[in-house]
Amino acid sequence: DAGITQSPRHKVTETGTPVTLRCHQTENHRYMYWYRQDPGHGLRLIHYSYGVKDTDKGEVSDGYSVSRSKTEDFLLTLESATSSQTSVYFCAISESPGLAGREQYFGPGTRLTVT
Amino acid sequence: DAKTTQPPSMDCAEGRAANLPCNHSTISGNEYVYWYRQIHSQGPQYIIHGLKNNETNEMASLIITEDRKSSTLILPHATLRDTAVYYCIVRVDTGATNKLIFGTGTLLAVQP
Repeated sequence: DAGITQSPRHKVTETGTPVTLRCHQTENHRYMYWYRQDPGHGLRLIHYSYGVKDTDKGEVSDGYSVSRSKTEDFLLTLESATSSQTSVYFCAISESPGLAGREQYFGPGTRLTVT
Repeated sequence: DAKTTQPPSMDCAEGRAANLPCNHSTISGNEYVYWYRQIHSQGPQYIIHGLKNNETNEMASLIITEDRKSSTLILPHATLRDTAVYYCIVRVDTGATNKLIFGTGTLLAVQP
């Protein structure tokens, strides 16, 4: 299995509080992604990174920010958590999407509940 | 929106082949078809991908029609551990990264 860890694995927080989720990889892959998964929606891309300090928005980026100061770490921050951000969050990595067939490897997920 | 259409659920008997269909009628010439699966509460797992030729690996086979408008993932001898949601994805190449757009997939239930 690819070396991807996510922390925390479970978190309950109150509306309006800031929350940071961490994704850590040991594969030295250049590309990292944050997805959220909700019933009836499959996985939806929030933000992605194509290098240190290089990030871009995905399809559901409102209310989220990201940072990548090191190759191995990709942080997802909810500045002021809302109940609509209750979800399971998955991090993924890939080596090089410029080459055909470079699959993404996913972490174990973080279950976030905003009360 | 996802560019693929899959049945919401399928059943398969243990030991038999599972054939999961996917329609992708608007696929472009340089887009690949990827298959992932997600076992309950785990992160998605890559299975196989292809462009226009049939592909086989240790997990599955991928059959792509000649017009590339549909494909079938084949698990040759399904086991109970193959029970999962299977996602058929057409890779969207934006230049900087290959975004994967997941639909709702097919829930495959392997029955003993």
